[in-house]
Amino acid sequence: SAVISQKPSRDICQRGTSLTIQCQVDSQVTMMFWYRQQPGQSLTLIATANQGSEATYESGFVIDKFPISRPNLTFSTLTVSNMSPEDSSIYLCSVLGGTDTQYFGPGTRLTVL
Amino acid sequence: SQQGEEDPQALSIQEGENATMNCSYKTSINNLQWYRQNSGRGLVHLILIRSNEREKHSGRLRVTLDTSKKSSSLLITASRAADTASYFCATDANTGNQFYFGTGTSLTVIP
Repeated sequence: SAVISQKPSRDICQRGTSLTIQCQVDSQVTMMFWYRQQPGQSLTLIATANQGSEATYESGFVIDKFPISRPNLTFSTLTVSNMSPEDSSIYLCSVLGGTDTQYFGPGTRLTVL
Repeated sequence: SQQGEEDPQALSIQEGENATMNCSYKTSINNLQWYRQNSGRGLVHLILIRSNEREKHSGRLRVTLDTSKKSSSLLITASRAADTASYFCATDANTGNQFYFGTGTSLTVIP
């Protein structure tokens, strides 16, 4: 299994600002994923982040709003840009383990005022 | 996009009883996984079942998969108060390694 940490664990931000969320894995992984979980809802995949290439975004998510970096095999960042209250969610990163299992970080709880 | 739907949306049982949750999905899959999420926290992987498997067990958990009906069930036997959480199924949609989550079942186990 993989151990994943995220920073910050939570934040309260003003609308119009941006927040960058960091995801660190304790081992090298090829595929990392970013999810959003809106209050009381299930998880929605935002994008897949592969090292050395641009992230692949799911329908309804765009790079200008959610730019992603993947500088190496153990680290990724997700930025939530020009935030509005609708962006208030838990943001989770995950990685794909060797047995096709996805392991999740603890999440970043974002509140936008 | 979400691919799965789960029912019931909410389930409340007494400690010691069994809890059954169902997941339906729309397209062919390679794998289906079940996760638990305690309130406001990260997801804990419970069990993975592959498309060529029909049943798997892990401790008090039993998962079945019926690919002809595109459905899966998670059974938790002899439930405990600590099992109180939301449970999600996730499928890989047979097109890659992206996983899509169901709507989730909120389980409450009453001591």
